[in-house]
Amino acid sequence: SQTIHQWPATLVQPVGSPLSLECTVEGTSNPNLYWYRQAAGRGLQLLFYSVGIGQISSEVPQNLSASRPQDRQFILSSKKLLLSDSGFYLCAWSVLAQGQNTEAFFGQGTRLTVV
Amino acid sequence: DAKTTQPPSMDCAEGRAANLPCNHSTISGNEYVYWYRQIHSQGPQYIIHGLKNNETNEMASLIITEDRKSSTLILPHATLRDTAVYYCIVRGRDDKIIFGKGTRLHILP
Repeated sequence: SQTIHQWPATLVQPVGSPLSLECTVEGTSNPNLYWYRQAAGRGLQLLFYSVGIGQISSEVPQNLSASRPQDRQFILSSKKLLLSDSGFYLCAWSVLAQGQNTEAFFGQGTRLTVV
Repeated sequence: DAKTTQPPSMDCAEGRAANLPCNHSTISGNEYVYWYRQIHSQGPQYIIHGLKNNETNEMASLIITEDRKSSTLILPHATLRDTAVYYCIVRGRDDKIIFGKGTRLHILP
């Protein structure tokens, strides 16, 4: 069966420090991968979307970047964190089946606090 | 931008059916209607999706109007564990998943 792993679950980082969040998917191949952020009390904002290795679409200009070095690995990074980067970060995946994207499956999220 | 409109919040008595409406008047012919919910501090959970026919699974039923401009998610016997934010999403074959503000459903004991 397919599973998604996202870590760490919680993270406290000082302003100006770098960030690396990793997400991996098991049990499927060539998934579409997503990074979302949810600020406190707000909705889910799509940050990055990837349909394959090295193919990443940035949805919102910001202090973050994403990379997909392997088919089932998606990494969210920042060189210098801002206070406004605090939030709940979620990774998700979906696949194309019978010409249609399946439902998306979400990881458990990383709660990032920038201090 | 999200292609759907939902009421910001709703209440429902425990044990009763919860009917959550969604407007998607600009939906195109190849776009599906998806529903997800997010329980506090967790990732969103898929509930159901449909194209034009009504759908039912173990969690809920989805009623889509004939013109496809609106839909209703029905939780037949709401429990306290159904308290969550419910998101209605319109999505095509290759589309990204864009969440709107959703409906915060409160189940009242």
